[in-house]
Amino acid sequence: GAGVSQSPSNKVTEKGKDVELRCDPISGHTALYWYRQSLGQGLEFLIYFQGNSAPDKSGLPSDRFSAERTGGSVSTLTIQRTQQEDSAVYLCASSQDRVVNEQFFGPGTRLTVL
Amino acid sequence: TQLLEQSPQFLSIQEGENLTVYCNSSSVFSSLQWYRQEPGEGPVLLVTVVTGGEVKKLKRLTFQFGDARKDSSLHITAAQPGDTGLYLCAGAFMDTGRRALTFGSGTRLQVQP
Repeated sequence: GAGVSQSPSNKVTEKGKDVELRCDPISGHTALYWYRQSLGQGLEFLIYFQGNSAPDKSGLPSDRFSAERTGGSVSTLTIQRTQQEDSAVYLCASSQDRVVNEQFFGPGTRLTVL
Repeated sequence: TQLLEQSPQFLSIQEGENLTVYCNSSSVFSSLQWYRQEPGEGPVLLVTVVTGGEVKKLKRLTFQFGDARKDSSLHITAAQPGDTGLYLCAGAFMDTGRRALTFGSGTRLQVQP
């Protein structure tokens, strides 16, 4: 596609349930990032994938969070046993991972944990 | 932990006024980007600056990168209601080589007609 796409656009879940968020990066982009944004705030880095390298998971807030990237393209962010503090907009970005790392963002998934 | 401070947090001005948003860190950036985000959408890249002292212009927006590459500013001339949004600066810090960007907390701009 022309840009980064994410699904679903909105997700409402009950505390304790698991959720999966999906990201389709721009075709040809080798790097993929997940960020989290609380209401009206800046972005918090979660995880970074680059090609076949081991992902940089240093931003994941707890072991309830995990992500995978299949075939170097689509990525899924999974949150297990969701908590109310997980409520946020989850943003995915992709880039060509050149020396100057310009990232292009999807529209995000708004997660609400009741 | 490298921090990226952005100011002001909120700005409400009248159409036609000028404004400047600042982005500062104690660490050196290898590159710095400015994004604009509207409600319900992801951030959209406005500009990337790489060289110390660099100035880039995008219509009524002027971006400056500090000589020491630790700070940047965004100046908007004759603001329009269409400039309303959340402005985010984001940097790649030189000493970590980390690929993920560190974002400022954003400046929420409201331009009143």
